[in-house]
Order: sequence, then structure tokens, then C-alpha cells
Amino acid sequence: DTGVSQNPRHKITKRGQNVTFRCDPISEHNRLYWYRQTLGQGPEFLTYFQNEAQLEKSRLLSDRFSAERPKGSFSTLEIQRTEQGDSAMYLCASSPAQRSSTDTQYFGPGTRLTVL
Amino acid sequence: DAKTTQPPSMDCAEGRAANLPCNHSTISGNEYVYWYRQIHSQGPQYIIHGLKNNETNEMASLIITEDRKSSTLILPHATLRDTAVYYCIVRVQNSGGSNYKLTFGKGTLLTVNP
Repeated sequence: DTGVSQNPRHKITKRGQNVTFRCDPISEHNRLYWYRQTLGQGPEFLTYFQNEAQLEKSRLLSDRFSAERPKGSFSTLEIQRTEQGDSAMYLCASSPAQRSSTDTQYFGPGTRLTVL
Repeated sequence: DAKTTQPPSMDCAEGRAANLPCNHSTISGNEYVYWYRQIHSQGPQYIIHGLKNNETNEMASLIITEDRKSSTLILPHATLRDTAVYYCIVRVQNSGGSNYKLTFGKGTLLTVNP
């Protein structure tokens, strides 16, 4: 257990529905990342927060996706009008962002989304 | 970030050392080598990282060649629970800039056999 928690762990939804995932990073970690992993592939970067500011979004993050980190603590990832191609494991990671360190990222257990 | 090359799969007998290779021939002087592993249906787990010198922690050892173009992750006494996909990643040290994201390849599936 790295200390990063994600909820729910599994989500099954019907095509066209909206879903929201939550990530609680390690306490006092300033940076928070979302990745997506499809079957047989390594995780792919989606977006990144430094405190509450979203500083980068991958081109993988279509306009149906939105992520927030309102108080610089937990984060939510929402997918609107889900499509079957959104089925994947959604991973959250956090890092301390200390200049004296190499800023290692620690991952949560992931949320597995299945869109029927 | 530099591209890495890993074998798609390896086997190891339980109790023996597992040596997982990684090539990163285009690595830059300020890029670290990171290793993560992912057990089936779990999130990636950080193992170890290094710049030039060999590193060891409670999980593994990391051997980096002198020219830094390749490295080897060593699990000294593999157990069945070490069966996982192992990812080798090179990444610039945190400098407050934009080199924050990890770029994963497909990794090496290590199967530890009884």
C-alpha cells in the first residue's frame, strides 16, 4: 500500500453515461498525475497537477474528460458520455515535488472502468 | 525522455536471481533510470532508481553500465510474488520543469516458476 487511494476500484457503466473517479494522494504530495492503461499496454500519461493547478493535459484527454484538484489535495477525473473505447484502468500517482529529490511517483491501485 | 528497450518476457526459477536487462542507448547525462513493476490488476509499484552508480535497496539492485547505455535490475532471490511486468523508464531529474511524466513501454513480463 503506497498511501495513494482510488475510488471506486471498479466501475461498470453503460455507453453514454457519465462517470467520476476520485484519487487521494499521499499526504503533502504537491504533484498529482492521472494515467490510463489499456489491456497489454503500459500506462499512458493523461494529465498533471501541481497543487490545484492543472499544468499539462495529454492529447489523449478529449473534451469529454475533465480533471480537477480543487484544494490541492484529492482529485477527480470525470468522463462524460462514455464510449466503449474508454474502457481501461485509470491510475493516479502522486509525488512530493521536492527539489532535493528525484520526485518519485507513487501509484494508487487504479480504477478499472468497463463501458458496456 | 529517452526510449528504452526490454525483452518482452523472461522466466526465472524460484529462489534464483532474476536479472532483467534494459537498453537506453540514447540516455542523456541528466536522465535517471527508474524501475517500476506491475503485478496483475494492480497499480505500478516503484522499485528503485539511479543515475550513474549502482544502487541497492530492500527490493532490488540496479546495475548501470559505465557508459550508462544499459542497466540491469537484479532481484536476488525471486519468489512467486515477484511475477509481474517490469518497466524500465528513463527520466530527467525533477528540476521544476516539465519533465514530470513517466513514459512507459511494454516492459518485461517476468514469470517466476516454482
